[in-house]
This record gives sequence, C-alpha cells and structure tokens, in this order.
Amino acid sequence: NAGVTQTPKFRILKIGQSMTLQCAQDMNHNYMYWYRQDPGMGLKLIYYSVGAGITDKGEVPNGYNVSRSTTEDFPLRLELAAPSQTSVYFCASSFGTGLGEQYFGPGTRLTVT
Amino acid sequence: AQKITQTQPGMFVQEKEAVTLDCTYDTSDQSYGLFWYKQPSSGEMIFLIYQGSYDEQNATEGRYSLNFQKARKSANLVISASQLGDSAMYFCAMREGPAGGTSYGKLTFGQGTILTVHP
Repeated sequence: NAGVTQTPKFRILKIGQSMTLQCAQDMNHNYMYWYRQDPGMGLKLIYYSVGAGITDKGEVPNGYNVSRSTTEDFPLRLELAAPSQTSVYFCASSFGTGLGEQYFGPGTRLTVT
Repeated sequence: AQKITQTQPGMFVQEKEAVTLDCTYDTSDQSYGLFWYKQPSSGEMIFLIYQGSYDEQNATEGRYSLNFQKARKSANLVISASQLGDSAMYFCAMREGPAGGTSYGKLTFGQGTILTVHP
C-alpha cells in the first residue's frame, strides 16, 4: 500500500495563478481531509469529504475548492493564489469508524510570490 | 477559546530520561477522542497514540503513554526513555463527538511543542 500520496511536493506560484494539489489514497478510506500548516503552527482544516460526491467546509475554506468523484482521489483547487496561501498542505484519510486516526500524506509546500 | 492548548513551545530532555508534553482541551461533548501526532523535521505526520473519553485506562503504546485527567481536561503525552530520534514537533489533537458520528472524524490541532533530545 502506498497509503496517502500527494503531488507535487513543492510548488511556487505567482499571485493570481491557480493550481490543483493532488491527493490519493489506496486504503479504501471513506473520509478524507485537507489541512494547511502555517510556519510554527498547528494544522487547520480546509475541507473534508465523507465519501464520493460529498464534501464540506472546514475552518479555513476561503480561496479553495474541492471535489471528490472517486473514493481514492480528493484534489484541492486554489483559485487566484494569494501570498496568504503560502503554507504546507496536508491531505489525510481515515475510516469512518474505529478510533478515527488519520493517515497523512507527505505534504505539499506551496509558496505564493 | 482555544479548543486545544499546548503551553510549551519548546521542551528539552536528556537522552534516556522521561518527558511530559502538556495538552489541555475544551469541549462540551461527553464523547470525544484525543490524539497525539509526531512531526519530525522531514515534515510527515505520524500518529502516536489515542485516548477515548470513555476509556477508563490511560492509553499506552510502547514508550508513549497518555496521562488522561478528564476532570482537568488534560491529555499529557509521556515519553519514557527518550531517544535522539524523538526530537520532533508533537501535536495534540481532538475529535469532538463519538467515532463514526457526525463530527466525521474532524480533528482540531494544538500549536505543537518542539521536543529536543540532548545526548
């Protein structure tokens, strides 16, 4: 099992550009999440999904969009990138039952200049 | 009010000694879960240990144990016999509501504690 994979690992965007951060998991988890981690801070939830076709906002959704067409994939779209979106982005997944521990991808480091 | 508070920005410990990382939480739910994650300098997030609010025993996983004091709303992580590889950022996180419930497993994270283990 590859677990949770994220691409790209690093990206530099210019202000106003758009991009999609890719996330995939092969553990058949129904729940998936996107977090951002600003320097020296904890993780904040951007969006989450409880299954294909079902997504909802987290704590900091502004400037982002998500979709979930399959169980495996949960891409995060940044429209009109701003310097405030400079952060490390983590995708995570979990089973809907059990303890609920989340399995994280390796992260994408995004810089907007 | 912050839901998860980690008051120690940085901690130092001598190799082979034990160290306690503090975490307090705030929730009105009766059913909830508390998690600790480790983030080494390489950046990945590693799940360490879990404590459910109704668990009567403190959770243990190898050298990690969770000192759960429900009345004080604290869930401190204890690392015994520290190793150099334990140097990392440690995050406490909380799931409000029962596992499998309508919280959908969402976690709230604290700001983290950087642990440095000295040889």
